Amino acid sequence: LAKTTQPISMDSYEGQEVNITCSHNNIATNDYITWYQQFPSQGPRFIIQGYKTKVTNEVASLFIPADRKSSTLSLPRVSLSDTAVYYCLVGGRGDTGRRALTFGSGTRLQVQP
Amino acid sequence: DGGITQSPKYLFRKEGQNVTLSCEQNLNHDAMYWYRQDPGQGLRLIYYSQIVNDFQKGDIAEGYSVSREKKESFPLTVTSAQKNPTAFYLCASSGQKPEQYFGPGTRLTVT
Repeated sequence: LAKTTQPISMDSYEGQEVNITCSHNNIATNDYITWYQQFPSQGPRFIIQGYKTKVTNEVASLFIPADRKSSTLSLPRVSLSDTAVYYCLVGGRGDTGRRALTFGSGTRLQVQP
Repeated sequence: DGGITQSPKYLFRKEGQNVTLSCEQNLNHDAMYWYRQDPGQGLRLIYYSQIVNDFQKGDIAEGYSVSREKKESFPLTVTSAQKNPTAFYLCASSGQKPEQYFGPGTRLTVT
């Protein structure tokens, strides 16, 4: 799977929009980009997945530029409960669900009141 | 409710003892996985199984063993050969959708 690079940590305040960028310079043509969220002592939870341009669901948006060498997870109006570690993963969609995922260290987001 | 269960949540063992961690899913998923997480680190793959009666080693399989006799169950045994077994262990499963569903985890402490 393609290697990803994310910031180690980020700080924000309640109500702000948070953007977490992930670099994946060697992404393959059939790779999708997937983001997970993990709270302490819990398993990661799927947030969003995309291939190109923009994807939006009820909790987040994912922006992917044309060259697909990076992606940005956008969390609108964060709250204290969004404090967690966020992981960016890259892999083939056909297998992403089945194939084992390679998790990096993730980005630790701290939301302050 | 459909989901993945892991038991127990906390487990304590003496060094030199084998211990088996349970993972059960009722999501009808074909694939199941075991990950290990150390404090402040990401997840590392131990073993995975794409179908019943078949499994493959992940990145850190040494000192661990698994079985997949039933679709719903994928137990992990931490053997005495695992040099640093104290960790948070996560089980996951996946089906047709491009995402993995994780269990609540088991925190193993070996002293």
